[in-house]
Amino acid sequence: GENVEQHPSTLSVQEGDSAVIKCTYSDSASNYFPWYKQELGKRPQLIIDIRSNVGEKKDQRIAVTLNKTAKHFSLHITETQPEDSAVYFCAASKDFGNEKLTFGTGTRLTIIP
Amino acid sequence: NAGVTQTPKFRVLKTGQSMTLLCAQDMNHEYMYWYRQDPGMGLRLIHYSVGEGTTAKGEVPDGYNVSRLKKQNFLLGLESAAPSQTSVYFCASGRLADFSGETQYFGPGTRLLVL
Repeated sequence: GENVEQHPSTLSVQEGDSAVIKCTYSDSASNYFPWYKQELGKRPQLIIDIRSNVGEKKDQRIAVTLNKTAKHFSLHITETQPEDSAVYFCAASKDFGNEKLTFGTGTRLTIIP
Repeated sequence: NAGVTQTPKFRVLKTGQSMTLLCAQDMNHEYMYWYRQDPGMGLRLIHYSVGEGTTAKGEVPDGYNVSRLKKQNFLLGLESAAPSQTSVYFCASGRLADFSGETQYFGPGTRLLVL
């Protein structure tokens, strides 16, 4: 089955700087890659996703890049703010993403004021 | 529109006891999922359902059973709880992807402690 590895497990960034979280996946048939943000004690919430037919997607300060050849994708957060502090999870799945999302183990991002 | 709800929010069980976790969604989603979340291990899929009356095993199904008798509800059962089942359980629901918006919505979670 699919295996998703996520790095780093913890990341501290000065407010205003950029943060990058990287994930690799094992199944070349995977074609849907969402990113979830989970604040302390809350539910995971989708912040951005990308499908294998595109290489990059942006939404304001958040962007995701995908390298299908190398089987890795990354989350980029620019101009970080204190409210960006949370745990971020990457995930991967086949088809249209509604069956068996495989999650990475998460990255705890701390923004230092 | 409540989205995805879970009952109960928190429960303490003794080893060997049984319980059922209830997940309900009001978005008419076809797909529903149960995950468990443990420190350092991310979210792991226990069981899922692609439609009313159907269920399938996920990554960590042992010790759990599920039922989807109604489209809006997905039940997770623990027949004989074990301390290893201490975790936070999240339910999620999803719809057929249409290349826009979220494809999985999560409930608020159920914190389970097995003594």
